[in-house]
Amino acid sequence: GENVEQHPSTLSVQEGDSAVIKCTYSDSASNYFPWYKQELGKRPQLIIDIRSNVGEKKDQRIAVTLNKTAKHFSLHITETQPEDSAVYFCAPSDTGNQFYFGTGTSLTVIP
Amino acid sequence: DSGVTQTPKHLITATGQRVTLRCSPRSGDLSVYWYQQSLDQGLQFLIQYYNGEERAKGNILERFSAQQFPDLHSELNLSSLELGDSALYFCASSPTGLAGTGELFFGEGSRLTVL
Repeated sequence: GENVEQHPSTLSVQEGDSAVIKCTYSDSASNYFPWYKQELGKRPQLIIDIRSNVGEKKDQRIAVTLNKTAKHFSLHITETQPEDSAVYFCAPSDTGNQFYFGTGTSLTVIP
Repeated sequence: DSGVTQTPKHLITATGQRVTLRCSPRSGDLSVYWYQQSLDQGLQFLIQYYNGEERAKGNILERFSAQQFPDLHSELNLSSLELGDSALYFCASSPTGLAGTGELFFGEGSRLTVL
């Protein structure tokens, strides 16, 4: 299956600062790039996604950027708030492989 | 509320025992996925069913099995349980059987503790 890595594995930022999480993948056929957020003790939920025909997508304080040539995409969170503290997972896929999630990044926003 | 229902929410059992976890997908979703999440670990894909048939298999142990019934609910059977099987088991559903076509909707999970 797809080899997916996330960096960093843990990230601490001060409230109001920005956070960036990078996801690298191996399958050049990947064409769908979602990010999921999992709060402590809760289920993962989709927060933003992008398809391969788009380089960037923004939704309020979160954005995703894609570099298909380099096979990585990133999650950007601006003006971080304590409620952004969670584990974030990427799950790049093609039409046959949205089964494998990245290793996860634990984000802590310090008030 | 994602619309995906998992039961039981919590389960405590002993080594060597067998348990069944149940999942009802969102109304209209044909695909069901099972994931295992051990403490401080990521989401390990176990198996996917689409409209009653196995579609893809991940790192599922031979002691584990699953099925999807005609009404589209799914069950994950875990047998000969070991301490290391203690984990949070998530079910997710999606409208199609094609990965990469959109969002996975996760249930709240079933927390299994093996003593």
